[in-house]
Amino acid sequence: EIVMTQSPATLSVSPGERATLSCRASQSVSSNLVWYQQKPGQAPRLLIYGASTRAIGIPARFSGSGSGREFTLTINSLQSEDFAVYYCQQNNNWYTFGQGTKLEIK
Amino acid sequence: EVQLVESGGGLVQPGGSLRLSCAASGFTFSNYWMTWLRQAPGKGLEWVANIKGDGGDQYYVDSVKGRFTISRDNAKNSLYLQMNSLRAEDTAVYYCARDPNYDDRGGVFDCWGQGTLVTVSS
Repeated sequence: EIVMTQSPATLSVSPGERATLSCRASQSVSSNLVWYQQKPGQAPRLLIYGASTRAIGIPARFSGSGSGREFTLTINSLQSEDFAVYYCQQNNNWYTFGQGTKLEIK
Repeated sequence: EVQLVESGGGLVQPGGSLRLSCAASGFTFSNYWMTWLRQAPGKGLEWVANIKGDGGDQYYVDSVKGRFTISRDNAKNSLYLQMNSLRAEDTAVYYCARDPNYDDRGGVFDCWGQGTLVTVSS
């Protein structure tokens, strides 16, 4: 099983600033990496797939990068609605998720 | 508008059974792989099972193999998860999700239901 590790567990950033979230795979997943956003009491929402392709309707301030084992989700000019938990997930060899990064208001 | 609505969750004793349903609308259901995922209280996400559009192929995470069965009825635009021999560790919110199989690769879940809570406890 491919283990996905996200860091940090909690990230405190001020509105308007940039947030950088990391995700590491225990072995290479090529570019088969997905990012989701989840707000309290809600289902996850697809943000990014193929490591860097934004899903339909996702604002351009969200961007993904990386390949192999190391990936990054960057959120520019943080808006109030962006504070949530973010999960990475690999779909290279079945499907496993990271434990999540909570993005909170500083 | 694409919509997925789960139902069937509840409280069940260890060793018991439960059947979850997911009603789909707003898209051609039979064209899509469909998936069940779960999230234990306060925890992360776990893929549970998926099924091909025509129902011909099904796959499961190891921890539920032999206990859970995924199925679908394309005439009713519905997805199901039959859960038997339930354990305390199966307690979670169960989500159904659509998989558009981008680039012929599964595992991108683009639409999710609101979830249904399954609690396994005596």
